[in-house]
Amino acid sequence: NAGVTQTPKFQVLKTGQSMTLQCAQDMNHEYMSWYRQDPGMGLRLIHYSVGAGITDQGEVPNGYNVSRSTTEDFPLRLLSAAPSQTSVYFCASSLLQTGRDTIYFGEGSWLTVV
Amino acid sequence: SQQGEEDPQALSIQEGENATMNCSYKTSINNLQWYRQNSGRGLVHLILIRSNEREKHSGRLRVTLDTSKKSSSLLITASRAADTASYFCAKQGAQKLVFGQGTRLTINP
Repeated sequence: NAGVTQTPKFQVLKTGQSMTLQCAQDMNHEYMSWYRQDPGMGLRLIHYSVGAGITDQGEVPNGYNVSRSTTEDFPLRLLSAAPSQTSVYFCASSLLQTGRDTIYFGEGSWLTVV
Repeated sequence: SQQGEEDPQALSIQEGENATMNCSYKTSINNLQWYRQNSGRGLVHLILIRSNEREKHSGRLRVTLDTSKKSSSLLITASRAADTASYFCAKQGAQKLVFGQGTRLTINP
């Protein structure tokens, strides 16, 4: 049981490039979400999904896309990377609606946009 | 916007002492959760306390919730070097879960 797995762990992008952060969970959780964490700030919600085929925007969705074709996977796409997207990204999943149950986090993806 | 703040932002104590961190919020909540984050790692769930609960314990951790003051506290007793980490509260209200900015706890040997 691997829990929540994120890849890559580290990535450097040039401004304007696109990339996908991968997230997979093996706990059969319906709820998955992506957060970004910036220095001195808590986690801010980017996008979330309540099940396969259903996604919705969080607090800071601009510049990011998500899809949920399967229960297990929830990739986050950066369409055209900007320096403001330099951050640490965390994928998370939970069995019940986010906040009503324990949230399991991945180990994070450190992204630098130059 | 961040709902609620954590206090203090940083705390440094000697090993064996107790550490108390506070979390305040502005609107009503359904529950509140505490997480720990070691440097360079993801967040790990510690305790979930529901709005109708006032206190919960887990090992050396004690969480209280005062809905009248819209605040919660996390107490770590008999601290150890391994408790060095950042601690976050997360408030679940009408919709999404909102994280505070965290308290950075350092335990000195």
